[in-house]
Amino acid sequence: EVQVLESGGGLVQPGGSLRLSCAASGFTFSSYAMSWVRQAPGKGLEWVSVICANNYNTYYADSVKGRFTISRDNSKNTLYLQMNSLRAEDTAVYYCAKGSGSSCYSSSGYWGQGTLVTVSS
Amino acid sequence: DIVMTQSPDSLAVSLGERATINCKSSQSVLYSSNNENYLAWYQQKPGQPPKLLIYWASTRESGVPDRFSGSGSGTDFTLTISSLQAEDVAVYYCQQYYSSPYTFGQGTKLEIE
Repeated sequence: EVQVLESGGGLVQPGGSLRLSCAASGFTFSSYAMSWVRQAPGKGLEWVSVICANNYNTYYADSVKGRFTISRDNSKNTLYLQMNSLRAEDTAVYYCAKGSGSSCYSSSGYWGQGTLVTVSS
Repeated sequence: DIVMTQSPDSLAVSLGERATINCKSSQSVLYSSNNENYLAWYQQKPGQPPKLLIYWASTRESGVPDRFSGSGSGTDFTLTISSLQAEDVAVYYCQQYYSSPYTFGQGTKLEIE
C-alpha cells in the first residue's frame, strides 16, 4: 500500500526556519517525482516545488524560490522541504505528493495527510 | 506563468443530474511531441487531502468511478460527473503540469441542490 507521511510542521516565528520530511513506503521511491503542495487555511491549493526522479532536477513556485529547498534521500525513502526566511503568508498545510511517473512533468497520484506550518510571532 | 481559471466558482446540482466544471488555461498545455494535454483534475473533500481523478486531461485514475470524465484540449477543459452522487460533494481543482510553476485553478465547490 502506498503511503506518504509528512512531519516537521509546527509554529515558527517570522524569519525562522523549518524542515519538513515526507516518509514514503509501498512503492519504489527512487522511481517517482515528488512534490510539495500547500493550502492556506480556507484557501485553494498552491503548488510549491517538485523534484524529478531521474536527474534530481528541481522547480519552485516564484513565491518560495530562493527561500525553500526541496531534496530527497532515496536511501531513506524520504523527501524534504527546507524552509528558510519564513513569512506569515507561508502559513498552510503542506502536502507531500507522489508523482504519477519519474518525470517532473506528471500529475500527483497520491497525497499525504499534510502537516501544518504556522508562521506567527 | 500559466494561469488556470475555473468556472463556475460554485455549483449546486441535484442528485442523479450532470455536473460540469470548466477549466481554461492562459496558454496551451498540449505538448505537440506526444499529443498529450498536461492537465489533471483533483477532488478534495472536507478535511481530506486531494485525490487525483483525471490525468492527461481525459485518462481516469485507477479506481475512479466511470461517472467522472475529462475532456478538452489546448486551453479549454471540462470535468463532467454524469450522475451526481452524494459522495461527490467536494471542491474540484484543475492543474497544469506542462510548465513550472505547475499552477492550480482556484477550485470549484460542488454541492447538492
